[in-house]
Amino acid sequence: QKEVEQNSGPLSVPEGAIASLNCTYSDRVSQSFFWYRQYSGKSPELIMSIYSNGDKEDGRFTAQLNKASQYVSLLIRDSQPSDSATYLCAVPNAGGTSYGKLTFGQGTILTVHP
Amino acid sequence: DTEVTQTPKHLVMGMTNKKSLKCEQHMGHRAMYWYKQKAKKPPELMFVYSYEKLSINESVPSRFSPECPNSSLLNLHLHALQPEDSALYLCASSQGWFVGNEQFFGPGTRLTVL
Repeated sequence: QKEVEQNSGPLSVPEGAIASLNCTYSDRVSQSFFWYRQYSGKSPELIMSIYSNGDKEDGRFTAQLNKASQYVSLLIRDSQPSDSATYLCAVPNAGGTSYGKLTFGQGTILTVHP
Repeated sequence: DTEVTQTPKHLVMGMTNKKSLKCEQHMGHRAMYWYKQKAKKPPELMFVYSYEKLSINESVPSRFSPECPNSSLLNLHLHALQPEDSALYLCASSQGWFVGNEQFFGPGTRLTVL
């Protein structure tokens, strides 16, 4: 089992819909979770951090964390074509690696079509 | 301000050349990172500097040589690279080398080895 897994894509949603991106992790002791957005040819951009169970909202983005089930998700409301990108889930110290070493999922490609 | 800068943006080099990549941050962060990213893959950690000391070397070949002249600067010296080293090289920084510290990426250097 991979340490961090994301739902296989690509994911295609119509403009205005809710896009749901999921990520599961294998290390129960993981405490922090990050979502990065990466446009084609660009570098990853941190869009959400979540540390506690429950929901965290920032504009159109909501991160949800369930440590008991070991999953973290990202919801994008009112999806726009500009949200089309690869979304990377990242977990520090996943699998008992060094301190803050990020373990990334393979990424989910999201396409929002007009 | 969450800006990490990298130069150059693009670099083409032959297998016998020596070149350097540069990274700078002015956020007062004490941890800096080099990542390598191949197409359609997540970033892979290469090196971590914490308080200007090399903390992690992910078994990177010696043709890559990192240097941290001060707390704001990070260099990656390149020598005798192979075509398979062509990739996007990303620098990142975080407040510290601890679980939970958010990592912010620079724009990257697109490296092509001929």
